[in-house]
Order: sequence, then C-alpha cells, then structure tokens
Amino acid sequence: AQSVTQLDSHVSVSEGTPVLLRCNYSSSYSPSLFWYVQHPNKGLQLLLKYTSAATLVKGINGFEAEFKKSETSFHLTKPSAHMSDAAEYFCVVSDLGNRDDKIIFGKGTRLHILP
Amino acid sequence: GAVVSQHPSRVICKSGTSVKIECRSLDFQATTMFWYRQFPKQSLMLMATSNEGSKATYEQGVEKDKFLINHASLTLSTLTVTSAHPEDSSFYICSARDEGAGGYTFGSGTRLTVV
Repeated sequence: AQSVTQLDSHVSVSEGTPVLLRCNYSSSYSPSLFWYVQHPNKGLQLLLKYTSAATLVKGINGFEAEFKKSETSFHLTKPSAHMSDAAEYFCVVSDLGNRDDKIIFGKGTRLHILP
Repeated sequence: GAVVSQHPSRVICKSGTSVKIECRSLDFQATTMFWYRQFPKQSLMLMATSNEGSKATYEQGVEKDKFLINHASLTLSTLTVTSAHPEDSSFYICSARDEGAGGYTFGSGTRLTVV
C-alpha cells in the first residue's frame, strides 16, 4: 500500500535562506512523485514531477527535488527563499494505472517566509 | 483531522450516460472545493473551483455544460459528467479547504471508466 509522509506541518525560513520540505513515501510499485504548491484560494500548481527518469528533478520557480530510492524520500529544496514562496506544499505519490490505482496526498507543509 | 469523503471510488458507465461524483467534508465546512482530473503519469489538472451558493469557476478548456458542478451546501459538492464518452475516462479527485484550520484536504478519488 502506498503512503506519503510530510514530516513537517509548518516550516519557517528567512527570505534568502534555503528551503527544505521533507517527504517520505512508500509504494509497492514504481511510483510517480509530485510536488504541488497551493496558494490561498487557488488550485494546486505543479512544481515538479518524477516519473522514473532523472533522479534529480528541476521544477519551476527554482525548486528541485531528488528521488532517493534507498531512503524512500523525495525532499523539495530551493537555494534561496522568496516571499512569494509562502504557501502550502503537497507531496503526492501516484500509482495510477497500476493495480492499486490511487493518488495519495501528504498532509501538506505550510511554508512561512520571514522578512 | 479534516476528512473529505469522495464517492464512488470506482464507477463504470456506458457511453452517453451521466455519472455523479460526490465530495463531502465530514467534520468541517468548506466554502471552496476544487475538482481535478488526472491521467496516468501526468499531473493533476484543475478542472474547476466550486464555491458554495454560487456558480463554479471553470478552467480554460473545461466544458462547463459537460462537467456540471453543484455546491449547494457547505459540506457537499458534486461533479456530474454528462453524456460521458470513453475519453472522459480518468481519475477525478476533489479537495476542500477547511476554513477553520486553514488547510486543504483531498478526497480519495474516483476512477471513472466509460465503456
């Protein structure tokens, strides 16, 4: 069975400092992994995705994530935080098309950017 | 924590018929709900934003007459796929904003297969 754990419900960083949002997953198959961002009253926006190609995935707005199978992790990073990065971030594992045919969402991490 | 119940989890229907998918917030009120669809190996695509007591806001390219959204109460939004065709076969998922806690919760999704 699949699961996704976002280890921090809230993360606060100062503007200009690095961002690390942690995500661990479990999946019986080769999953697709996604990071989405959601700003208040807006729908999800895709930041990046991993679908069994390069393990280091670069996304929009300077975000990237590294798929580490040995650690079952897919942490999201950004070298330098910007005020506009303040939002909620979701790590998602998708096994669509496989036997379980599910999308599993993490509970989200609220990113706060301190001036 | 906040729970969103989505039903049915799987449905198979004949081409030309209509299918209704329900999304309920079980222990919180949701003035805003989002409807997404996803194909295997692809990211979630926002279809529409559902607002309680008013018309839904559809994303560009989504046919509002085909995907009828009703958000008649603070705990229930429905998506009706009218005159379904095989190309409508997809995974549909809803999410709701918990106005009290300020976070987003996702339903477990509906696998629609049109034959």
